[in-house]
Amino acid sequence: DAGVIQSPRHEVTEMGQEVTLRCKPISGHDYLFWYRQTMMRGLELLIYFNNNVPIDDSGMPEDRFSAKMPNASFSTLKIQPSEPRDSAVYFCASRHQRGIVHEQFFGPGTRLTVL
Amino acid sequence: QQQVKQSPQSLIVQKGGISIINCAYENTAFDYFPWYQQFPGKGPALLIAIRPDVSEKKEGRFTISFNKSAKQFSLHIMDSQPGDSATYFCAASFIQTGANNLFFGTGTRLTVIP
Repeated sequence: DAGVIQSPRHEVTEMGQEVTLRCKPISGHDYLFWYRQTMMRGLELLIYFNNNVPIDDSGMPEDRFSAKMPNASFSTLKIQPSEPRDSAVYFCASRHQRGIVHEQFFGPGTRLTVL
Repeated sequence: QQQVKQSPQSLIVQKGGISIINCAYENTAFDYFPWYQQFPGKGPALLIAIRPDVSEKKEGRFTISFNKSAKQFSLHIMDSQPGDSATYFCAASFIQTGANNLFFGTGTRLTVIP
């Protein structure tokens, strides 16, 4: 398996533009998580899905952020409109419900810069 | 608020030395405590994890020590190597309740000097 795949790896955009980050979880995994990493706040959970259904979006900073999971192999995180304070590395992670290991597998991240 | 507090923020250790990173938590309902390792430009990866029913878990040079009464846990890296240079995150989660959030500490940047 190729692991969790994220695209793009780097994104530079101007304030006010729409940004869409993409994630392909590991095949067979039931859970998908979106995290944001900044120097100031570390790793923050934004939202997670179970079987494509959003379970907890309390970490989504505001209405400018939205996430979807239309099927088991694809998820998007959208920021509209983007602001400079959204600059961060965004990680997607997945795990499966079975088994005793509670491990989340992280993708390589998308480094977002909003000018 | 920060559910898991981690220290130090950065750590420099000589090759062959012991690296120690500490974490503390408040919520006694946490029942799973993993450590993740992150190299520059990569996503975090699970290093080692412990449940609160044991006080210590060892995997190779990496050991988690867990103190349930003090609500603290720590990562010890024995015989630290330059290849261990990375950022380390402690985390806590709930398994019994079925919730799947991982609450991460703020991270410790470890540098092992040759």
